[in-house]
Amino acid sequence: EIVLTQSPGTLSLSPGERATLSCRASQSVSSSYLAWYQQKPGQAPRLLIYGASSRATGIPDRFSGSGSGTDFTLTISRLEPEDFAVYYCQQYGSSPLTFGPGTKVDIK
Amino acid sequence: QVQLQESGPGLVKPSETLSLTCTVSGGSISSYYWSWIRQPPGKGLEWIGYIYYSGSTNYNPSLKSRVTISVDTSKNQFSLKLSSVTAADTAVYYCAREVGASGYWGQGTLVTVSS
Repeated sequence: EIVLTQSPGTLSLSPGERATLSCRASQSVSSSYLAWYQQKPGQAPRLLIYGASSRATGIPDRFSGSGSGTDFTLTISRLEPEDFAVYYCQQYGSSPLTFGPGTKVDIK
Repeated sequence: QVQLQESGPGLVKPSETLSLTCTVSGGSISSYYWSWIRQPPGKGLEWIGYIYYSGSTNYNPSLKSRVTISVDTSKNQFSLKLSSVTAADTAVYYCAREVGASGYWGQGTLVTVSS
């Protein structure tokens, strides 16, 4: 099983600042099958990035993903008020599919 | 626009079987994979398993002995059964389209395991 570790656990930033979130895998993620989700309280996760770097439909270009192998990054170039949420990475290249524990981005 | 909606009992007794159904609207269930994911209160996401519209399945080994996912293409629905539940199975259960990188999710339904 591929274990995903996300860091930091919590990121305290102000609107307009840049957010850099890390996701590290215990083994190489096949074909960069790595996705990022945003989740707000009481809501289902929302797909942001798939294939490590492709933005999902309707996702603003301030969200970008990068990385390959075991190290992946989600960057939010300039935080908007609606971006404060929990972010999860997920690998879907090998079974069982696994999620990281999440990074909470909160308002400083 | 594809929409997914979970339905089923919100309260299940310990040792009994949890049963949920996901109804897909706005599109056909055919030609896609369909997943179940759960999230215990205040915790992270756990993949339960998926089914292809043709009926082939793949389950999380940690739950495999207790999980059955089935599909009814005539009703555009797929279902989850989780047997011998305990308090540790209390969670919000989500259905979603695709195996990973799921762009379509249901709103989730809270299932509490308690006597």
